[in-house]
Amino acid sequence: DAKTTQPTSMDCAEGRAANLPCNHSTISGNEYVYWYRQIHSQGPQYIIHGLKNNETNEMASLIITEDRKSSTLILPHATLRDTAVYYCIVKGSGTYKYIFGTGTRLKVLA
Amino acid sequence: ETGVTQTPRHLVMGMTNKKSLKCEQHLGHNAMYWYKQSAKKPLELMFVYSLEERVENNSVPSRFSPECPNSSHLFLHLHTLQPEDSALYLCASSPDRARKPQHFGDGTRLSIL
Repeated sequence: DAKTTQPTSMDCAEGRAANLPCNHSTISGNEYVYWYRQIHSQGPQYIIHGLKNNETNEMASLIITEDRKSSTLILPHATLRDTAVYYCIVKGSGTYKYIFGTGTRLKVLA
Repeated sequence: ETGVTQTPRHLVMGMTNKKSLKCEQHLGHNAMYWYKQSAKKPLELMFVYSLEERVENNSVPSRFSPECPNSSHLFLHLHTLQPEDSALYLCASSPDRARKPQHFGDGTRLSIL
């Protein structure tokens, strides 16, 4: 499975867009990019996933570069409740293994 | 409400005790997972079951014993644990190993005295 690299921490002002980057330069053609977040003392929460096209749902948007070596999770209007650790994971369809790294600790500031 | 329920939410036990963690999913998924999350460490995959058959066992000590009696229920039986086993134990489920994502419970916070 491809490894991912994320910044350790980021701050974002409330109401502004939060852009969380992820590098996955060794991703292979059948591997999807998944984003989860974990709020303190809770289980990880699924946010969004994609293969090569940009994706949007009610929580966030996922932008994947054309070469698929990196992606960005966008929270369009961050709120204090979006303060969490955000994990970027790359996984192929032929495996059960989701490999979680240390993620990005996002702090939304009032 | 994620559709994955874990009980108990908190557990304190001595090193010689035997206890079990329970996970139940109401999502109709075929695969279930146990993860361990120690303080300031990434989630570690422990076990995976697909259609009640164990398909992953990531070098977990034998003092942890999983059981999957049906596709909706998963247990983790604990015996003679060590202090370093204190952690958050998370259960997850997914439709199968294809692209559809996992869904997690809120975990059991385990403390070993």
